[in-house]
Amino acid sequence: AQSVTQPDIHITVSEGASLELRCNYSYGATPYLFWYVQSPGQGLQLLLKYFSGDTLVQGIKGFEAEFKRSQSSFNLRKPSVHWSDAAEYFCAVGASEYGNKLVFGAGTILRVKS
Amino acid sequence: DAGVTQSPTHLIKTRGQQVTLRCSPISGHKSVSWYQQVLGQGPQFIFQYYEKEERGRGNFPDRFSARQFPNYSSELNVNALLLGDSALYLCASSLADSSYNEQFFGPGTRLTVL
Repeated sequence: AQSVTQPDIHITVSEGASLELRCNYSYGATPYLFWYVQSPGQGLQLLLKYFSGDTLVQGIKGFEAEFKRSQSSFNLRKPSVHWSDAAEYFCAVGASEYGNKLVFGAGTILRVKS
Repeated sequence: DAGVTQSPTHLIKTRGQQVTLRCSPISGHKSVSWYQQVLGQGPQFIFQYYEKEERGRGNFPDRFSARQFPNYSSELNVNALLLGDSALYLCASSLADSSYNEQFFGPGTRLTVL
């Protein structure tokens, strides 16, 4: 069965500082991996996705993530955080044999201080 | 183009009642998935429908049911409501029956059970 762990419940960074949000997954084969962002009272917006190929993927809003099979990780990074990045971030895993089903982590709440 | 729409936005029910939540997918999308997001947790997969057929079901009791209509809109029904059913219910649509296809999420329906 698929599972996702996001070890950090809350993270606080200063505006302009770099950001890394951690995600570890459990799945036997090559998974489909996603990062979503959720602002208060909003639905989920896809930031980026990994299916295969280049292990460093670029997304919207200046985010990138790196797939590391040996560590079962898919960490999200941003070189310089903006105050508008404050939100909750979810890592998710899917697989071809499970249709559209996504398994989400518990989320990481990002706070940005000025 | 309109995104995924959900109605109602908010709903308050009492224990034992029944509720119906509605979702309209993006035009041209044939797959609809439902997720439950309890406060402080990541979304949990409830159902997926594709071309009016159930393609996946998460670990939820039989009190939860859903259907998809010929126009690809969908309804989620929950019977005999419990306090623990209080959550944000998210609907997602995609073109086809695979997590390879991007899923677009609606803003959700906030259900409160008293």
